[in-house]
Amino acid sequence: DSGVTQTPKHLITATGQRVTLRCSPRSGDLSVYWYQQSLDQGLQFLIHYYNGEERAKGNILERFSAQQFPDLHSELNLSSLELGDSALYFCASSVVSVGTNEQFFGPGTRLTVL
Amino acid sequence: DQQVKQNSPSLSVQEGRISILNCDYTNSMFDYFLWYKKYPAEGPTFLISISSIKDKNEDGRFTVFLNKSAKHLSLHIVPSQPGDSAVYFCAASISANTGNQFYFGTGTSLTVIP
Repeated sequence: DSGVTQTPKHLITATGQRVTLRCSPRSGDLSVYWYQQSLDQGLQFLIHYYNGEERAKGNILERFSAQQFPDLHSELNLSSLELGDSALYFCASSVVSVGTNEQFFGPGTRLTVL
Repeated sequence: DQQVKQNSPSLSVQEGRISILNCDYTNSMFDYFLWYKKYPAEGPTFLISISSIKDKNEDGRFTVFLNKSAKHLSLHIVPSQPGDSAVYFCAASISANTGNQFYFGTGTSLTVIP
């Protein structure tokens, strides 16, 4: 158990809908990262938050947004969903923003868009 | 554009022998490299890392080698054990002033045969 929790574990929805994925980092970790893993793809880095502030952006679509709250949990919002958004979404946390690169991953949320 | 590549999708090794997993990258700005291990239905777990200023890092049965001129890194597992059977992801990061961007390969599925 990494100490990172993600909810829900599975999510099935329809095209055009909007969903919210939730992540609680390990106790004491200030950084939260979001990743997308599509079928046969590696993990694609989406976004990095540190202590409530956005710190780095990867290949995140404009239809996707994220935030990190004062209690350090984070939410990834996916809107106008398309079939191609079906994927595993992982959240990871680490202690600091820069300089340590070990991340602790949650178990992931499997999103299926029908 | 895949900046981190793992060209072998799978690898089978006899128990007790050496497993060598390879990874190539294209971006010379990467300053940290990591290996993660992933079991089905779980998030990736950090295994070992190496800074770009080093060429080798060892942790028990796991050794990572970095060849910057060839933009190549490898993970050696000696001796291989059946419990090592998992998908291994290579990752690279660029440390900016405010945050990190991470790039993952597509993974190599290692099977250690008893």
